[in-house]
Amino acid sequence: GAVVSQHPSRVICKSGTSVKIECRSLDFQATTMFWYRQFPKKSLMLMATSNEGSKATYEQGVEKDKFLINHASLTLSTLTVTSAHPEDSSFYICSARTSGSGAYNEQFFGPGTRLTVL
Amino acid sequence: RKEVEQDPGPFNVPEGATVAFNCTYSNSASQSFFWYRQDCRKEPKLLMSVYSSGNEDGRFTAQLNRASQYISLLIRDSKLSDSATYLCVVGSRSNDYKLSFGAGTTVTVRA
Repeated sequence: GAVVSQHPSRVICKSGTSVKIECRSLDFQATTMFWYRQFPKKSLMLMATSNEGSKATYEQGVEKDKFLINHASLTLSTLTVTSAHPEDSSFYICSARTSGSGAYNEQFFGPGTRLTVL
Repeated sequence: RKEVEQDPGPFNVPEGATVAFNCTYSNSASQSFFWYRQDCRKEPKLLMSVYSSGNEDGRFTAQLNRASQYISLLIRDSKLSDSATYLCVVGSRSNDYKLSFGAGTTVTVRA
């Protein structure tokens, strides 16, 4: 099956710093990548949709200047949390979708990045 | 109203038991339906897609009722390894292939 990797898997940073998270599709080309955030015991919440070569589309309530997304190639998307604050501490998960997913639009998930902002 | 609603559980069942639970979705234009499994502090993993005619994968059976807009998952002969949170996930091509996630149903299988 399709494999998606994320790096780093865990990061602890000081308040005010920026953190970059990478999401890679290892054995397929991802036309679309999605970024989610999940708080403890809560559902995954979609933050933004990222299409290769175009600007990301952010969900309502997600600050695009705070969560910078770049999808420079068909196998790599990055999420940068700028000027991180403790309330940004969460589990960030990316997923990727191929153009061949068809009507069932299955998404393949990365292993997630656990961000802790002190 | 949430797009996807699930009974959070937890469902505590003994090994070998059958457990079943549903989820409901609000968007009648939804076209794709999945059950994902999520273990504690891990990413969701696809358990099975749900087809209109219903489908079975080993001990897991999924059903879709479009008229009533609900999806069900049944686990037969529960194993300890089935303990997890099961996420009901719904997608629509008209919604740019975005997936909507339920908050999950927690199942705990005890020895």
